[in-house]
Amino acid sequence: GQNIDQPTEMTATEGAIVQINCTYQTSGFNGLFWYQQHAGEAPTFLSYNVLDGLEEKGRFSSFLSRSKGYSYLLLKELQMKDSASYLCATMNNAGNMLTFGGGTRLMVKP
Amino acid sequence: DAGVIQSPRHEVTEMGQEVTLRCKPISGHDYLFWYRQTMMRGLELLIYFNNNVPIDDSGMPEDRFSAKMPNASFSTLKIQPSEPRDSAVYFCASSLAEGQETQYFGPGTRLLVL
Repeated sequence: GQNIDQPTEMTATEGAIVQINCTYQTSGFNGLFWYQQHAGEAPTFLSYNVLDGLEEKGRFSSFLSRSKGYSYLLLKELQMKDSASYLCATMNNAGNMLTFGGGTRLMVKP
Repeated sequence: DAGVIQSPRHEVTEMGQEVTLRCKPISGHDYLFWYRQTMMRGLELLIYFNNNVPIDDSGMPEDRFSAKMPNASFSTLKIQPSEPRDSAVYFCASSLAEGQETQYFGPGTRLLVL
């Protein structure tokens, strides 16, 4: 099975940097995804990591350590529109199923 | 492309009634996924199809739930009879292939069973 943990809520200030952590325990692993979900909307893809290290994409970066079962999403220069839930999800070994964590609700304050 | 299309966007029904949710995946995508999202349980995979064939339905809660994919451009998720605990947002997603392919989500159907 797969077990994914991430904080329920976080608060940060506009313009600051925030790191959202995700730890996972899985019997099979073929990569880790981060999705963003604004209230009342569908999840949208942010990033994918399969190898250890940091992937940078504009203001967003994602890190993975397979040996530690750990990932984080780093958001820089926070904007009010970044207020959303951020979902961590692991891909199974066969590469055909995602298991999602409960999501971290990020509130960005002025 | 219009993205994944779902209908209806909102559904309010009474306990015991049949509910049918519909999904049109992105053209050319081989995989289609049905998810359910609630505050208590988060986003859960119910069932997924590959080339119109159901592959894994282990997430389907019980026999009241059924899903079909009669062709590459259409899928349904049916609940019969519906119960208040089925109230949730139901998302359909599709992807091009397995592996590292991104899943693209539809806007979801908000279901309320009274």
